[in-house]
Amino acid sequence: LAKTTQPISMDSYEGQEVNITCSHNNIATNDYITWYQQFPSQGPRFIIQGYKTKVTNEVASLFIPADRKSSTLSLPRVSLSDTAVYYCLVGDNSSASKIIFGSGTRLSIRP
Amino acid sequence: NAGVTQTPKFRILKIGQSMTLQCTQDMNHNYMYWYRQDPGMGLKLIYYSVGAGITDKGEVPNGYNVSRSTTEDFPLRLELAAPSQTSVYFCASSRTVNQPQHFGDGTRLSIL
Repeated sequence: LAKTTQPISMDSYEGQEVNITCSHNNIATNDYITWYQQFPSQGPRFIIQGYKTKVTNEVASLFIPADRKSSTLSLPRVSLSDTAVYYCLVGDNSSASKIIFGSGTRLSIRP
Repeated sequence: NAGVTQTPKFRILKIGQSMTLQCTQDMNHNYMYWYRQDPGMGLKLIYYSVGAGITDKGEVPNGYNVSRSTTEDFPLRLELAAPSQTSVYFCASSRTVNQPQHFGDGTRLSIL
């Protein structure tokens, strides 16, 4: 099972770009990488997902190097409302039993 | 857009009591999941289901039971509540195993 490691916390300021890296050294060929955002007293919310290279949507980008042993979530021009916990998840394309959430990164955005 | 609905939102149980956490989704998703989240920690998978009538264990299934009689509903049963089961429980659903999961707002359960 591919275990994930993320920084426990990060701080940044409004308007800055924030990059959160997740390590997953044992990622398997079929594993995909998904990032979720969680606010207090709410369930996680999907941000972005990818298998390799770069994926971009309206809220974030996901960079995955060729060896896929890590991935970086990039949040452009953050605002106070981006203060949340961000989870990296590595999942097996063939079985839900192998879904593992990381311990999460607590991102704090300051004015 | 109801999405994934969990009831109740809060519950206090005494040790040894039993209860069922309800979860229903209206997106016609095949996959449904139950997670627990302890304070300051990530989510741990308890059980999941790939469709009506099919369930399987996740990382931490001990002390819990599930059933999936319909596509929409995936209840989680605690038979003999223990203090170690004090946690926030999240239900989620997805169309397939590699599609994003949609989460409910959770059930906060305290066992005293």
